[in-house]
Amino acid sequence: DAKTTQPPSMDCAEGRAANLPCNHSTISGNEYVYWYRQIHSQGPQYIIHGLKNNETNEMASLIITEDRKSSTLILPHATLRDTAVYYCIVRVRQHFGNEKLTFGTGTRLTIIP
Amino acid sequence: DARVTQTPRHKVTEMGQEVTMRCQPILGHNTVFWYRQTMMQGLELLAYFRNRAPLDDSGMPKDRFSAEMPDATLATLKIQPSEPRDSAVYFCASGFTLAGEDLNTIYFGEGSWLTVV
Repeated sequence: DAKTTQPPSMDCAEGRAANLPCNHSTISGNEYVYWYRQIHSQGPQYIIHGLKNNETNEMASLIITEDRKSSTLILPHATLRDTAVYYCIVRVRQHFGNEKLTFGTGTRLTIIP
Repeated sequence: DARVTQTPRHKVTEMGQEVTMRCQPILGHNTVFWYRQTMMQGLELLAYFRNRAPLDDSGMPKDRFSAEMPDATLATLKIQPSEPRDSAVYFCASGFTLAGEDLNTIYFGEGSWLTVV
């Protein structure tokens, strides 16, 4: 699976959009981008995933550049409960074969009141 | 709300003792993972199962760790004998895959916080 690079930490004001970048310059054509987050003292939580089109769900939006070498997770209106470590993970999706997720060090996002 | 249930939530034990952590995956899920998290190493995959069969345990120290799924509703991770370096949070996670399809998301439990003194 391709390696990802994320900034170690970021701050964002409450109510503003939080934009979390992820670099995955060695991504291959069949690799998806997944985002998980881990709130303090809890297990990781799935947020969103995508291949090449932008994706949106009730939690966040995922913007993937056209060359797929980077992506941005957007939390549109950050709240204090969004303070967490956010993990960007790149993974090959295979037919019944590669369910593993390999976590890096992530970005520690702090929402400032 | 369906959730992955782990027991014990917290465990303090002495070096050399056996530790067993248990996980109840979400009902109907057929893929179960064990992860370990430490400050130094972050989140590491120890082992995972599909339909109760072990698929990958390459991340697990073989000499002292063992993982099993006695039935579809129970996964266990055992450490014998335990050592101080095993102190960590152990997460169980589950998901559902069908033949010919890929796992979409996995759901994590709250973790078992282990301290070996």
